[in-house]
Amino acid sequence: QVQLEQSGAEVKKPGASVKVSCKTSGYKFTAYGLTWVRQAPGQGLEWMGWISGYNGNTKYAQNVQGRVTMTTDTSTNTAYMELRNLRSDDTAVYYCARIAASAFFDFWGQGTLVTVSS
Amino acid sequence: DIQMTQSPSSLSASVGDRVTITCRASQDIRNSLAWYQQRPGKAPNLLVYAASRLESGVPSRFSASGSGTDYTLTISSLQPEDFVTYYCLQYSDTPRTFGQGTKVEIK
Repeated sequence: QVQLEQSGAEVKKPGASVKVSCKTSGYKFTAYGLTWVRQAPGQGLEWMGWISGYNGNTKYAQNVQGRVTMTTDTSTNTAYMELRNLRSDDTAVYYCARIAASAFFDFWGQGTLVTVSS
Repeated sequence: DIQMTQSPSSLSASVGDRVTITCRASQDIRNSLAWYQQRPGKAPNLLVYAASRLESGVPSRFSASGSGTDYTLTISSLQPEDFVTYYCLQYSDTPRTFGQGTKVEIK
């Protein structure tokens, strides 16, 4: 069965960086893209960008462009999302999700809480 | 960017009620719409894609329809486990955008 297992919660200071991992299993990694979505406490869902599992091509949302890097490791079927220069408003649960049919998001990781606080 | 306006932001209903949630896109999204259910502290769960196609395993009390800019999710008879939050997602264009969410509460 398809599974996406994310790394554990992180606490970071403003200005620091965080790297969240998303280890996948149960499907052919290179046949699907992966997306990252975040959710601030009590708020809605915000798309951050995506990465191709095939060739690593990326597309980022404008509001994180320049601070985010998404990568993959096809040897371990793992995706990574690094966010730099963290601010307090980056405090959120970060989700990875598989992209089905190059379109919607079908399977999701359990989420990783990133807290940015001095 | 395509704006998704979801309404209502919350609603109160009773077990057995029929409820409808709406998402309106700022432009034609050509049925490129998905609906998600999110329980507190959990990841979103796909209910519907392509505007009206139920994901495997989703109970038949859920249905969805729409075209162009206007889309609806209907729960025909609310069950206790349905009192959670629902989001729409448009995937017609990048950036992908979600509706603001609808919290379904017990009356």
